[in-house]
Amino acid sequence: EAGVAQSPRYKIIEKRQSVAFWCNPISGHATLYWYQQILGQGPKLLIQFQNNGVVDDSQLPKDRFSAERLKGVDSTLKIQPAKLEDSAVYLCASSLKIERDSYNEQFFGPGTRLTVL
Amino acid sequence: DQQVKQNSPSLSVQEGRISILNCDYTNSMFDYFLWYKKYPAEGPTFLISISSIKDKNEDGRFTVFLNKSAKHLSLHIVPSQPGDSAVYFCAASSFTGNQFYFGTGTSLTVIP
Repeated sequence: EAGVAQSPRYKIIEKRQSVAFWCNPISGHATLYWYQQILGQGPKLLIQFQNNGVVDDSQLPKDRFSAERLKGVDSTLKIQPAKLEDSAVYLCASSLKIERDSYNEQFFGPGTRLTVL
Repeated sequence: DQQVKQNSPSLSVQEGRISILNCDYTNSMFDYFLWYKKYPAEGPTFLISISSIKDKNEDGRFTVFLNKSAKHLSLHIVPSQPGDSAVYFCAASSFTGNQFYFGTGTSLTVIP
């Protein structure tokens, strides 16, 4: 079974530039997550989709970050314009489906390491 | 506001000995806890979980203990192997919540 795919693996940009990351979840996984992991910290949830709908985007800095999952499969996360503090690893994860009163294991991709200069 | 805390950034253990990784949480609504293992340049991979109805869950060399009154959980690895060297994250969620909150991680080094 193929895992969660992410690209690019590494990206270096200058501040105020824009950048986009792509994620393809495990086939059949309805729920997709984007996390930001700053060096020395744990992953922090940015946005969560179930199919093509947003479940939770309360921690997404919406003035500069946007994400979409138009067909309910792959997803893109965009930052425009980037700031120095956006330097981090951006992790995508997927799980089968959010069910009431149950938990679903999240499978993570390898991440995209973003450096903003 | 860090709701899940791992106060030891690093731990070194001799091969064959026990590794104990600790995690504390502040939100009393959390009732499901997981441990993830992360190698460099890879995403975290699920290791073991425990729900609040239990105080212990075991899977091979890995055992997670939960102390609800102390809001504390720990991961025991016995015996430790060099391949266990990685960063370990604990994460917590509530029955009614959607997201997992992660700790800052503990880097385990198992010395051959």
